[in-house]
Amino acid sequence: GAGVSQSPRYKVAKRGQDVALRCDPISGHVSLFWYQQALGQGPEFLTYFQNEAQLDKSGLPSDRFFAERPEGSVSTLKIQRTQQEDSAVYLCASSLRRDTPDTQYFGPGTRLTVL
Amino acid sequence: KQEVTQIPAALSVPEGENLVLNCSFTDSAIYNLQWFRQDPGKGLTSLLLIQSSQREQTSGRLNASLDKSSGRSTLYIAASQPGDSATYLCAVFGTLRYKLTFGKGITLSVRP
Repeated sequence: GAGVSQSPRYKVAKRGQDVALRCDPISGHVSLFWYQQALGQGPEFLTYFQNEAQLDKSGLPSDRFFAERPEGSVSTLKIQRTQQEDSAVYLCASSLRRDTPDTQYFGPGTRLTVL
Repeated sequence: KQEVTQIPAALSVPEGENLVLNCSFTDSAIYNLQWFRQDPGKGLTSLLLIQSSQREQTSGRLNASLDKSSGRSTLYIAASQPGDSATYLCAVFGTLRYKLTFGKGITLSVRP
């Protein structure tokens, strides 16, 4: 079956622009996660959804970052007024069950470059 | 705060060698531990997930062990091949059972 997909794969934004990154999780997966991976670093947790409910957004770096999953499937990570320090790969992951240490399946990521 | 360390950051070995990749974590109160592989420009591929009650898990040429009390995990790769060249990351599930904390990864190069 299809894995986690993300679009766009690459995004170049001028500083101050708003961007929207999309994630399509594996069908039927209850849990969805966003991570940020800076160059040479491991992924860092941003936020967690259980169906449409955002249960943890403690990793979002600032109030410029906003994520939603309105119908419990597709999710969008929005970054307003992008800054150079936002340049990173944004990874989306999903897992089958809720609130349990299940295998997380990752998408290919969106590489964001802010000029 | 949980911290995950992977040393060294990079490793180069000749083809055919058996090798061990190390991972350590500061808080032993973990649930599960997951090893991933990341190829350049690509996402993460899950290799193995070890339940907190398990000591090891095997898949093909890969074997991962977990010692919670000492805060350590190892990924053993048997008979390494050039196709194994990638970055290997370990990540732990802590008290927030949905949240993975990652190490920085070990970049492995297997020379033909």
